[in-house]
Amino acid sequence: QKEVEQNSGPLSVPEGAIASLNCTYSDRGSQSFFWYRQYSGKSPELIMFIYSNGDKEDGRFTAQLNKASQYVSLLIRDSQPSDSATYLCAVEGFYTDKLIFGTGTRLQVFP
Amino acid sequence: DAGVTQSPTHLIKTRGQQVTLRCSPKSGHDTVSWYQQALGQGPQFIFQYYEEEERQRGNFPDRFSGHQFPNYSSELNVNALLLGDSALYLCASSLDKNTEAFFGQGTRLTVV
Repeated sequence: QKEVEQNSGPLSVPEGAIASLNCTYSDRGSQSFFWYRQYSGKSPELIMFIYSNGDKEDGRFTAQLNKASQYVSLLIRDSQPSDSATYLCAVEGFYTDKLIFGTGTRLQVFP
Repeated sequence: DAGVTQSPTHLIKTRGQQVTLRCSPKSGHDTVSWYQQALGQGPQFIFQYYEEEERQRGNFPDRFSGHQFPNYSSELNVNALLLGDSALYLCASSLDKNTEAFFGQGTRLTVV
């Protein structure tokens, strides 16, 4: 079992729709969860982080965390073509100082 | 406020050679982590430096080594390059471990 799993996609959504990106993790002691956006050929850009169960909203982005189910998701409302990128989920464990990344989900937003 | 800067941006090396990559952290950050990202994969943790010490290391061979300087900048050294070392090398800086880590633009290393 991979430590952090994401569906590789591509996830295709029409402009204006809600994109839902999902991530599961194996370390039950994980404490911190991050979502990065990575455009092709570029480096990852931090867009959201969440530490507590529940929802956290920032503009068009909402991160959701369910530690009991070891599940974290990212919702993008009013998706725009400029949101087309690979979204990386990263998890920091309780006894580790490193981020463990999933392989990323490629999102395509079409006009 | 300058973000994380890495140099060089691109590099081509021959198998067996050695390479040094450099990273300057975001202003105010004291922790530097290095990651390797192969095509189509997520970044893989190499190691992290804090207070000039290697705090944690991922599953990378001893050919990968690093250093952190008193001004918090860091270097990644890779010896005896293999074709499989071709990847995007990312530096991330943070204040206190990985909380809100920010990445530099990366160094694209090609080993031929």
